[in-house]
Amino acid sequence: GDSVTQTEGQVALSEEDFLTIHCNYSASGYPALFWYVQYPGEGPQFLFRASRDKEKGSSRGFEATYDKGTTSFHLRKASVQESDSAVYYCALGPDTNAYKVIFGKGTHLHVLP
Amino acid sequence: EAAVTQSPRNKVTVTGGNVTLSCRQTNSHNYMYWYRQDTGHGLRLIHYSYGAGNLQIGDVPDGYKATRTTQEDFFLLLELASPSQTSLYFCASSDAGTANSDYTFGSGTRLLVI
Repeated sequence: GDSVTQTEGQVALSEEDFLTIHCNYSASGYPALFWYVQYPGEGPQFLFRASRDKEKGSSRGFEATYDKGTTSFHLRKASVQESDSAVYYCALGPDTNAYKVIFGKGTHLHVLP
Repeated sequence: EAAVTQSPRNKVTVTGGNVTLSCRQTNSHNYMYWYRQDTGHGLRLIHYSYGAGNLQIGDVPDGYKATRTTQEDFFLLLELASPSQTSLYFCASSDAGTANSDYTFGSGTRLLVI
């Protein structure tokens, strides 16, 4: 079945470091890809999406490019801040079962001041 | 502003107890979902619905029932709660369930079964 793999369970960085969180997917067809962010004590929030190959999604300084060739949607930010500390979820919107998004297990980002 | 409101925020019950978690959305969304969130497992789908009176089984449905009474209201029922159901529960809604639809989540209900 369809799946999403986030390689890193936890990432620790210092402020102004460059961030990459890896996301790879396995799916038939041409799914939409999403990133969600969850701050402490809150529910996940939609960050951005991409729906076709080579499309870049972005929001709040974060970005990711849909790469069908490598089945990836890696999250990047050039310079992280302490306020970016949160859990980040990559998600897959299957085109065969459109109302059931599949979430990765999440990556906990800790940014040290 | 579109919103998903969950209640209660925290709940403690005993093993074998009866628990109802409530969720209301003001987004006019068709689809609603119940997830549980556990360390090491991320978000796991319990049940979902695409309209009043409809119920679909998710990936981890055992021990849970759900009911969608109106477009706005979706309830999760634990009729014989067990310690394994101690978790953080999230409700979410989405518009029309298309492949590009993003989810709006509530703030969660933390359930402890002792």
